[in-house]
Amino acid sequence: EVQLVQSGAEVKKPGESLKISCKGSGYSFATYWIGWVRQVPGKGLEWMGMIYPGGSNTKYSPSFQGQVTISADKSINTAYLQWSSLKASDTAIYYCARDTSMRYWGQGTLVTVSS
Amino acid sequence: DIQMTQSPSSLSASVGDRVTITCRASQGIYNYLAWFQQKPGKAPKSLIYDASSLQSGVPSKFSGSGSGTDFTLTISSLQPEDFATYYCQQYNSYPFTFGPGTKVDIK
Repeated sequence: EVQLVQSGAEVKKPGESLKISCKGSGYSFATYWIGWVRQVPGKGLEWMGMIYPGGSNTKYSPSFQGQVTISADKSINTAYLQWSSLKASDTAIYYCARDTSMRYWGQGTLVTVSS
Repeated sequence: DIQMTQSPSSLSASVGDRVTITCRASQGIYNYLAWFQQKPGKAPKSLIYDASSLQSGVPSKFSGSGSGTDFTLTISSLQPEDFATYYCQQYNSYPFTFGPGTKVDIK
């Protein structure tokens, strides 16, 4: 069974750094793209970018390029989304999903940025 | 970027109704179109990929059609568990983009 399990909710202050994770199981992790999606509470879905863990090829939406970093460690079947300096506007739920067609999703990680 | 639009933005329907949601791409995307269902407080769930392929485990009352720029999601007989928000997404070209969503609620 394909599963994506994300790290737990985070509460951070503006300017702090953060790295959240998405661990895949039940399939060959290195051979499927993993994407990240943002959802501000009460709003729609925004595609942020994706990574191919087998080669670390990465694609970003221009809206998020330079704002976040997507990475992966295929040795532990885990993808990451990180920020170097959080803003209040980064408050959202972040989902990971497998495949370019996003057929399998993680449960989401709520990130709250507040002073 | 390819812009995705959905219509209607919301609809009210009764149990047993046939419901159709439309998704339009600002340029041709072949059949690289997915549909998702999201219920409050839950992660999105894949329903359809490649415009018309049913995701494993999804009931056959859901169907998708279309290619190029115009696509539809049909629910053949709406059930209480189908009241949710539905999103389309294109994955033909970067950046991949979602439609704004269609909220389906109870009449």
